[in-house]
This record gives sequence, C-alpha cells and structure tokens, in this order.
Amino acid sequence: DSGVTQTPKHLITATGQRVTLRCSPRSGDLSVYWYQQSLDQGLQFLIHYYNGEERAKGNILERFSAQQFPDLHSELNLSSLELGDSALYFCASSPRTDTYNEQFFGPGTRLTVL
Amino acid sequence: AQKITQTQPGMFVQEKEAVTLDCTYDTSDPSYGLFWYKQPSSGEMIFLIYQGSYDQQNATEGRYSLNFQKARKSANLVISASQLGDSAMYFCAMREGPNTGFQKLVFGTGTRLLVSP
Repeated sequence: DSGVTQTPKHLITATGQRVTLRCSPRSGDLSVYWYQQSLDQGLQFLIHYYNGEERAKGNILERFSAQQFPDLHSELNLSSLELGDSALYFCASSPRTDTYNEQFFGPGTRLTVL
Repeated sequence: AQKITQTQPGMFVQEKEAVTLDCTYDTSDPSYGLFWYKQPSSGEMIFLIYQGSYDQQNATEGRYSLNFQKARKSANLVISASQLGDSAMYFCAMREGPNTGFQKLVFGTGTRLLVSP
C-alpha cells in the first residue's frame, strides 16, 4: 500500500458525460501528479500540482481539468467524454525535498466510456 | 523521438534464474533520473529502483539491480533469482532535469515478464 488513495476504483459512463476522479496523496506530500494509461498511448503524464498550484502540464486535453485543494487532495475532471478516454488514471504523490526521488502511485481509477 | 525505449515487449524466464530487462533513454540534459516500476495484473504501479545520472555506483535494491551504462544511455533492470510473483509489466521511466521535487516522469512502453515454474 503506497499510502495514496484514489476513488472510485472503477467508473463506467457514457459518451458525452462528465466525471470526477479523486486522489488523496500520502500524508505530508505536497506534490500530486496525474497520469493516464491507455492501450494506444501507454503511460502519459497529464498534470502536476504542488501545494495547490499547477506546476506543469503534459498531454492533457482541454476537456480535462484538475485542481488541488487546501487539504492537498486533488480532483481530475473529465468532460464531454469520448470512447478514447477509456483508460486507467493514476495519481501519484511525492514529498518536496531535494533528495527524495520516488513517486508513490495510487491504485488507479479505471474509466470505461461506453 | 522516443525518450525511453524498451525493445522487449515480452520476456520469459524460469523461476530462480536471472533476467535482464532492457531500457535505453535519450536526453541532452546532464542531470536526470531513471526509474523502474512494476505493474502486476492488479494494476498498481510499484516503485522498484532509482538511478541518478550523477550516481557513481549502480543502484541495487534487494534482488533488483540497475545496470547503468551512461555512455550507452542504457539503464537495464536485472532481477536475480526470479520468483513467480515477479510476473508483471515492467516500466522504465525518466525524469529530465535535476531533482528539485518537481518531476514529470516519461515512461517506456513496458516489458511483460512471465516467470515459469
């Protein structure tokens, strides 16, 4: 158990809908990263938040947005869903130190768009 | 251009044997970090080992070691004495730039390892 929690574990929805994925980082970790794992794109970095502020964006679609709240949990919002958005969405957290290297991944949310 | 290349889609090994999973990377940044993660069929991503670009020695963590050849830009994972529980997908990943605490990881396509009795 990495200490990172993600809810829900599974999500099935229809095209055109909007969903929210939730992530709670490890206690004390200020950084939250979101990744998407799909069959055709592999594992891709989406976005990074540090202590409530967006720090870096990767291949995140405009239909997707994220935020990190004062209690450090993060939400990834996916809207106008398409079949191709079906994927495993991971959240990872890491502490803010200059010597620590590991990102701790949550168990993921498996999104199926029908 | 691919930043991380894992050329072995699948590998087979017998229990108790050693296996090497290949990873090559591409970066012009002198400071970077290399990671290996394991993803069992259950889906979670498990951190295995880390190698910094300035580390003088190859990283080791229990049965895992990283064969770091900087000039060749390779960071192969060696698993000694394979166990049935090692059957999983293995991903090589890279962080470009120094470890400032902000680190986007770029992943390879993975290698599926199957350990047979």
